[in-house]
Amino acid sequence: DIQMTQSPSSLSASVGDRVTITCRASQSISNYLNWYHQKPGKAPKLLIYAASSLQSGVPSRFSGSGSGTDFTLTISSLQPEDFATYYCQQSYSTPPTFGGGTKVQIK
Amino acid sequence: QITLKESGPTLVKPTQTLTLTCSFSGFSLTTTGVGVGWIRQPPGKALEWLALIYWDDDRRYSPSLKSRLTITQDTSKNQVVLTMTNMDPVDTATYYCTHRGENGDYSWFDPWGQGTLVTVSS
Repeated sequence: DIQMTQSPSSLSASVGDRVTITCRASQSISNYLNWYHQKPGKAPKLLIYAASSLQSGVPSRFSGSGSGTDFTLTISSLQPEDFATYYCQQSYSTPPTFGGGTKVQIK
Repeated sequence: QITLKESGPTLVKPTQTLTLTCSFSGFSLTTTGVGVGWIRQPPGKALEWLALIYWDDDRRYSPSLKSRLTITQDTSKNQVVLTMTNMDPVDTATYYCTHRGENGDYSWFDPWGQGTLVTVSS
């Protein structure tokens, strides 16, 4: 199985801050990388697929980059509704695997 | 609009078999490329993929749980059923079903059902 490692596991930030979350794969996955966020008590929601493609309806302050083993999710200006846990997921091979999550908290 | 909803018991005893049903609308599991998956999340922990069934009835399972899982579909009812045998307290989790979307070689899980919390306890 491909292991996905996210960092940091949690961070504190203020509204308006630029936030960056990283995800590293245990082997090259090209750009077969998705990002989700999950609010407490809710199901995850897709933000970005294929490393950098924004899912329909997702605000443009979210962006993704990377290829191979290292990936980044950036929120350009953090909004109150963005406080959540973020997960990366590789779709390169079965089984699909998720990172451990990054919890974005209010500073 | 695609929607999915999980149903099943909220409490099962150790060693029992869990049966969960995913009822969906807005798509057909007979359409090429479509899939429905199950993913779980223990309280306070990360997401774990369990199983996926494709439009052509191809079935894939988590290697670590394969011996305990069965996924089936009933296309006439727009339902997917997951069974997990020999339940243990460590299987306590919220279980989600999700639509597998794709664009060429790329795939993702979206949307997800609301999830159902299953507690394993005697």
